[in-house]
Amino acid sequence: AQSVTQLDSHVSVSEGTPVLLRCNYSSSYSPSLFWYVQHPNKGLQLLLKYTSAATLVKGINGFEAEFKKSETSFHLTKPSAHMSDAAEYFCVVSDRFGNEKLTFGTGTRLTIIP
Amino acid sequence: DAGVTQSPTHLIKTRGQHVTLRCSPISGHKSVSWYQQVLGQGPQFIFQYYEKEERGRGNFPDRFSARQFPNYSSELNVNALLLGDSALYLCASSLGQGYSGYTFGSGTRLTVV
Repeated sequence: AQSVTQLDSHVSVSEGTPVLLRCNYSSSYSPSLFWYVQHPNKGLQLLLKYTSAATLVKGINGFEAEFKKSETSFHLTKPSAHMSDAAEYFCVVSDRFGNEKLTFGTGTRLTIIP
Repeated sequence: DAGVTQSPTHLIKTRGQHVTLRCSPISGHKSVSWYQQVLGQGPQFIFQYYEKEERGRGNFPDRFSARQFPNYSSELNVNALLLGDSALYLCASSLGQGYSGYTFGSGTRLTVV
């Protein structure tokens, strides 16, 4: 069984300050991990993915995440928040050696304060 | 290149009715998956199809069914609609060869009244 826990349902940061969205995972197998972003009334866009290569993964729009096996974490960070980053963010796990079912976290709503 | 396209974009149905949602994957993608996203929650896996065969099924009642056609497009069918079926239904496509990455469509917003 696989699951992800997003530790914060809502995060607010000021524009230009760092962003940290926290995610812990549980997986019976070596996991693939992803972060997706969803803007209001839109579909899901892939920000970045980890599939067993480098543990520090760089994504689009300046986001990056670090896979820490010892902590079972995959936190998403960005050095400087932009107003356009306001959206819902989902941490997602896939069983790499099983089927390709994606298991989503409950989401973190990111608000950017001007 | 066209992305994953879903139709219709919005739909209103009455309780007890039947609905069919459609998805066209990215050209060359052979795997299609369906997810249900209830307002305020993360998407939940419903089905995955690869090469016209069901590869996985989530914890949804038998009122939910799907199929994949020879051109790899897919339909999701829901019978005997309940108010709780109101959600955004998302389709995702991938090459289907190990993990090759999913691309999501913009979804169909289903409202059951």
